[in-house]
Amino acid sequence: EADIYQTPRYLVIGTGKKITLECSQTMGHDKMYWYQQDPGMELHLIHYSYGVNSTEKGDLSSESTVSRIRTEHFPLTLESARPSHTSQYLCASRQAGGPYEQYFGPGTRLTVT
Amino acid sequence: TQLLEQSPQFLSIQEGENLTVYCNSSSVFSSLQWYRQEPGEGPVLLVTVVTGGEVKKLKRLTFQFGDARKDSSLHITAAQPGDTGLYLCAGAGGTSYGKLTFGQGTILTVHP
Repeated sequence: EADIYQTPRYLVIGTGKKITLECSQTMGHDKMYWYQQDPGMELHLIHYSYGVNSTEKGDLSSESTVSRIRTEHFPLTLESARPSHTSQYLCASRQAGGPYEQYFGPGTRLTVT
Repeated sequence: TQLLEQSPQFLSIQEGENLTVYCNSSSVFSSLQWYRQEPGEGPVLLVTVVTGGEVKKLKRLTFQFGDARKDSSLHITAAQPGDTGLYLCAGAGGTSYGKLTFGQGTILTVHP
């Protein structure tokens, strides 16, 4: 079973607040990803990282930022939350090479009021 | 841009019925994954298919990868309420190196 954790699981916050969504994995995977997903809909890649000090923007433009200072940790930050940021945020990781199987965390459900 | 067209988008059936979900693309993928996601949780990997024409079975679920590695299908035999969820296909390789291309998803509801 994959060991990838996200906190918090649920977050309700007011407009303008700064928030950080945490993601950690204990599998030693180099590659990590952040996706945004509305309920029952497809996943949209917003950030990814291929290793420490490596971060790239994904296919969907996002006002969030990420950092990768340690292999196991890939936090996502929103400097000023807005209602349009309300969504589910999913973190995933995978090992280098192979058939690209990604393992997902349980997600953070963010609501900005 | 690589696209994966997944169909149908919604499927509502009775317990015991069979169903098939399709995933099609004009692009060739080096591998294709199927995931199942329950509300409020992250997707869980069901299977990976790698070889064109490959068929994999997981209890009542049968996965097939097209000969040309551009399409895939998921067939569920005798569906049960526990099969309810969002099913996602995802392709790897091609121009989206290092990333997965996800289909739009199929929401399956199995009624008792």
